[in-house]
Amino acid sequence: AQKITQTQPGMFVQEKEAVTLDCTYDTSDPSYGLFWYKQPSSGEMIFLIYQGSYDQQNATEGRYSLNFQKARKSANLVISASQLGDSAMYFCAMRGLNTNAGKSTFGDGTTLTVKP
Amino acid sequence: DVKVTQSSRYLVKRTGEKVFLECVQDMDHENMFWYRQDPGLGLRLIYFSYDVKMKEKGDIPEGYSVSREKKERFSLILESASTNQTSMYLCASSSALDAQETQYFGPGTRLLVL
Repeated sequence: AQKITQTQPGMFVQEKEAVTLDCTYDTSDPSYGLFWYKQPSSGEMIFLIYQGSYDQQNATEGRYSLNFQKARKSANLVISASQLGDSAMYFCAMRGLNTNAGKSTFGDGTTLTVKP
Repeated sequence: DVKVTQSSRYLVKRTGEKVFLECVQDMDHENMFWYRQDPGLGLRLIYFSYDVKMKEKGDIPEGYSVSREKKERFSLILESASTNQTSMYLCASSSALDAQETQYFGPGTRLLVL
């Protein structure tokens, strides 16, 4: 079974500062992928960044980076230079890469509010 | 660009009604999923399908059924809607050929059952 834990229901950050959203996971799959999504108030889920369990380097996509610590089973999302448009709910998810049908497990989400 | 569309953004139904939520994807994806999203509970998988006419129960299938007659279309059916099925419903699709690829989500349907 897989489990994702996001311990921060809500976070605040000042515009232009960096913020870290926490995600820890548990899985018995030897090979897995970790995903972060952004969900604005409009409701659509937007894919942000992916990290594979065997990737040697932390993933980066523009202002998003993933602080992957495999031994600690954590995959924290770092947003640099926060913008007002970053205010949204953020979900961490994982998928076993050897399991069928691409089923993913999601965390409960973190609501990020960027203050001007 | 992958596009996943859902038949309605907002839906209001009465208790006991039969409700159909439709989802269509245009990327020839094998896998399709239905989730419901409730505050503080994240996304919970209702049903998924990895091929036409194939379906498997997710974590919370009770009160729901699904249909996948064509590869691009995955329907969620509430046989007799109840107030505890008021929720946001999200459809997603993904390729079976690349497990590292993200799921692509539709815009969601906010269902209110009165």
